[in-house]
Amino acid sequence: AQSVSQHNHHVILSEAASLELGCNYSYGGTVNLFWYVQYPGQHLQLLLKYFSGDPLVKGIKGFEAEFIKSKFSFNLRKPSVQWSDTAEYFCALRDSNYQLIWGAGTKLIIKP
Amino acid sequence: NAGVTQTPKFRILKIGQSMTLQCTQDMNHNYMYWYRQDPGMGLKLIYYSVGAGITDKGEVPNGYNVSRSTTEDFPLRLELAAPSQTSVYFCASRSRLAGADTQYFGPGTRLTVL
Repeated sequence: AQSVSQHNHHVILSEAASLELGCNYSYGGTVNLFWYVQYPGQHLQLLLKYFSGDPLVKGIKGFEAEFIKSKFSFNLRKPSVQWSDTAEYFCALRDSNYQLIWGAGTKLIIKP
Repeated sequence: NAGVTQTPKFRILKIGQSMTLQCTQDMNHNYMYWYRQDPGMGLKLIYYSVGAGITDKGEVPNGYNVSRSTTEDFPLRLELAAPSQTSVYFCASRSRLAGADTQYFGPGTRLTVL
């Protein structure tokens, strides 16, 4: 069955720490993957996406994600987080009907 | 552009009451979606629409109805509210243009059924 798993539901980091949020998927078709973010009080918005080509994808605000096919993973990274990165982060997979299958989300808190 | 707007932001319903969650987008998008998000869970698709007059069920449609009489509006109706429908509801839209795969979301409606 197709699914998306995000391992950590809550992550707390200090400013300037490095970030890696895990995302694993289960899907037998062509893989299209997304990371969305919801900042406090704001709408869900797209951070980055992978469709094909370079498996290292760069997004907004210094975020990047690496698609590793052999590990069925699409982990989100940022080398040095800021207080303003406090948000909830969602990984999603697009299925063959162009619908999104969502992970449970990871709440990230950055301590100033 | 206002993007995707939703009303109300918050609502408390009693069991058995009905209500309509409004969703409007001003981007001329063909595709529109309704999701619900329960605590600790990912977004689940309730209904979607590929254009005016066309709607289809998603993963969790029971207890809900939708209509799409215009491109802009995609209201979600709860007929007989139940505590299991306590959730945060998100509306989203997407262009049908090739390569336009980003969904644009509204701010959400937090619904409590008591």
